[in-house]
Amino acid sequence: GAGVSQSPSNKVTEKGKDVELRCDPISGHTALYWYRQSLGQGLEFLIYFQGNSAPDKSGLPSDRFSAERTGGSVSTLTIQRTQQEDSAVYLCASSLSAGGPDTQYFGPGTRLTVL
Amino acid sequence: AQSVSQHNHHVILSEAASLELGCNYSYGGTVNLFWYVQYPGQHLQLLLKYFSGDPLVKGIKGFEAEFIKSKFSFNLRKPSVQWSDTAEYFCAVTRNSGNTPLVFGKGTRLSVIA
Repeated sequence: GAGVSQSPSNKVTEKGKDVELRCDPISGHTALYWYRQSLGQGLEFLIYFQGNSAPDKSGLPSDRFSAERTGGSVSTLTIQRTQQEDSAVYLCASSLSAGGPDTQYFGPGTRLTVL
Repeated sequence: AQSVSQHNHHVILSEAASLELGCNYSYGGTVNLFWYVQYPGQHLQLLLKYFSGDPLVKGIKGFEAEFIKSKFSFNLRKPSVQWSDTAEYFCAVTRNSGNTPLVFGKGTRLSVIA
C-alpha cells in the first residue's frame, strides 16, 4: 500500500521567508509525527498529533515553527521567517495507534535549504 | 530526560565480517525499542523492534537484536555483512505509555568494503 508521502522533496528558500511542508500519512493512521534530521543534532522530535487531541508541541525549537493537521489526515509544518539553522531534512511519520505500543513509518522527507 | 547512546559513530567492515552495533538507553521504565536503517538516498526503514516477550528479536535482511534489561541495552547484530548493508543505523526508544515520540540515538554509519 501507499506509504507516507511528503512534499516538496526539496525546498530552497531565502532567509526570512516562510515555508510550508506537507505530509500525507498512511491511510487509517491516526498518529502523525514531525521530526528534523540535521548533521549536528541527529534526529529530533518536533510535534505529534494523535487523533483529535491537542498536539504535543514540546519539541518545537521556537515559536517560528507551527503545524496543523486538517481532518485528521494531512499535516502542514510551517516555518516562519526562516533562518539558516533551520536547514535540515524534515521527516514525517505516522502510526496506526490502535492501542498499545506502535510502529512509526517514515516518509522520504523534505530537504530544506535556507540561503 | 530519556536518551539513547550509540557508541560507534562510524564502523568499517569487510564483507562477511560479523557486525555488532551498540545501543544503550537511559529510561528506567518499560520501553519499546527499535532499530531503523537509512540506505544512501533512501528514507528511514524499520529493521526490527522489541515490545515484549522473547528478548532476542529477528528483523529483515538477517539482522537481529537482543534486549538486555539489566544493561539497558539493545545491540544490533548480523553474523555476516554484505556490501548492500552500507547505511546509517539508528537505535530509537519510546516509553511504553501509549504512543510517544521516538527518541533516537545519533546513528552509526556502517561502511562495508569488498
